Amino acid sequence: DTAVSQTPKYLVTQMGNDKSIKCEQNLGHDTMYWYKQDSKKFLKIMFSYNNKELIINETVPNRFSPKSPDKAHLNLHINSLELGDSAVYFCASSQVPGQGATEKLFFGSGTQLSVL
Amino acid sequence: SQELEQSPQSLIVQEGKNLTINCTSSKTLYGLYWYKQKYGEGLIFLMMLQKGGEEKSHEKITAKLDEKKQQSSLHITASQPSHAGIYLCGADRVYSGAGSYQLTFGKGTKLSVIP
Repeated sequence: DTAVSQTPKYLVTQMGNDKSIKCEQNLGHDTMYWYKQDSKKFLKIMFSYNNKELIINETVPNRFSPKSPDKAHLNLHINSLELGDSAVYFCASSQVPGQGATEKLFFGSGTQLSVL
Repeated sequence: SQELEQSPQSLIVQEGKNLTINCTSSKTLYGLYWYKQKYGEGLIFLMMLQKGGEEKSHEKITAKLDEKKQQSSLHITASQPSHAGIYLCGADRVYSGAGSYQLTFGKGTKLSVIP
């Protein structure tokens, strides 16, 4: 009954590889997000999608490409992985702002990415 | 640049002691959120504050937002080992009218509770 689930939980890969992280939410939310938490525990938004449409695209290298096949899924594809990409990536979802949600963001449990 | 400052960065307390974590912004906030992070469990929502002077409590945790809506504190009474984790404050940077929230987060406070 996980609300926001992301896979894999751990991802270890070599520099230069391409990898994907998947995220699914079963809450019926319209908006989904990707956050990155670096080694200093700083959590920063990367992207947000509303109903499959890109809303927020922070300063993220274009090696990172989010893909939303439907509003319940937002996958993150990373090309040509670099050492600095090592971090924990969190997926999140929310209702559209203003529609009465008391808990704004529901987070997945994170994907620990280690680039060797 | 980071907009939310949390203090302290880490905190070690004896079980049963009270503690306070602070979150400060240089700008007025539209909403202030407290989350708790445990390893492998993602972020768990604790409380949300929107009005200046607002105070909310849940079990032994109380969060307050000052009148200017620039500073929040999280107070834990009679801490227990189950309170251990990383506490993050997050804030709405802008009014969320475009279909998504734009929460930014502080760096977190790592809390350890010694039995």
